[in-house]
Amino acid sequence: LAKTTQPISMDSYEGQEVNITCSHNNIATNDYITWYQQFPSQGPRFIIQGYKTKVTNEVASLFIPADRKSSTLSLPRVSLSDTAVYYCLVAPRGMNTGFQKLVFGTGTRLLVSP
Amino acid sequence: DVKVTQSSRYLVKRTGEKVFLECVQDMDHENMFWYRQDPGLGLRLIYFSYDVKMKEKGDIPEGYSVSREKKERFSLILESASTNQTSMYLCASSFPGQGADEQFFGPGTRLTVL
Repeated sequence: LAKTTQPISMDSYEGQEVNITCSHNNIATNDYITWYQQFPSQGPRFIIQGYKTKVTNEVASLFIPADRKSSTLSLPRVSLSDTAVYYCLVAPRGMNTGFQKLVFGTGTRLLVSP
Repeated sequence: DVKVTQSSRYLVKRTGEKVFLECVQDMDHENMFWYRQDPGLGLRLIYFSYDVKMKEKGDIPEGYSVSREKKERFSLILESASTNQTSMYLCASSFPGQGADEQFFGPGTRLTVL
């Protein structure tokens, strides 16, 4: 599976837009890009998923360039409650495929200050 | 809402003990997973199961075994606990056909082996 690289940490202030980039140079044709959010003492929670171009939901946007070697999670107008660790996961969809090497990576620790 | 529960939030065991970590999901998911999470290493897959009595090794299966006798329950077994198995253990489940995406996680079990 594609290995991912993310910044270890990022700092922001309330109301700002935050962009977290994930590098995945050896992404495969059938791989999707998924982002998870994890608060302390909780399991990760699915945020958004995409294959190419741009995906937007009520929480975030995901930008994927044409070569798909990176992706950017965009959080608009962050609040204190967005302080969490964000993981990028690249893996294939489909029945029982690609599980063996599921690695979430080390994630990006986002700290939002007042 | 999907609910994934784990039998304990905190567990303390001694070296050499046999340890059982239980996970139950209530949404009839075919796929279930066990991860461990360590500082600086992110989440790493230990085992997964895509059906009752079916199991596959993940990235780090050494020292662990699993059992899935019922669809809703997936157990992780440490046959002889060692100090290097001190970690946060996370269980997850997902629908079939979605491959390695949109997993629903439990709250985690923090295991300490003395």
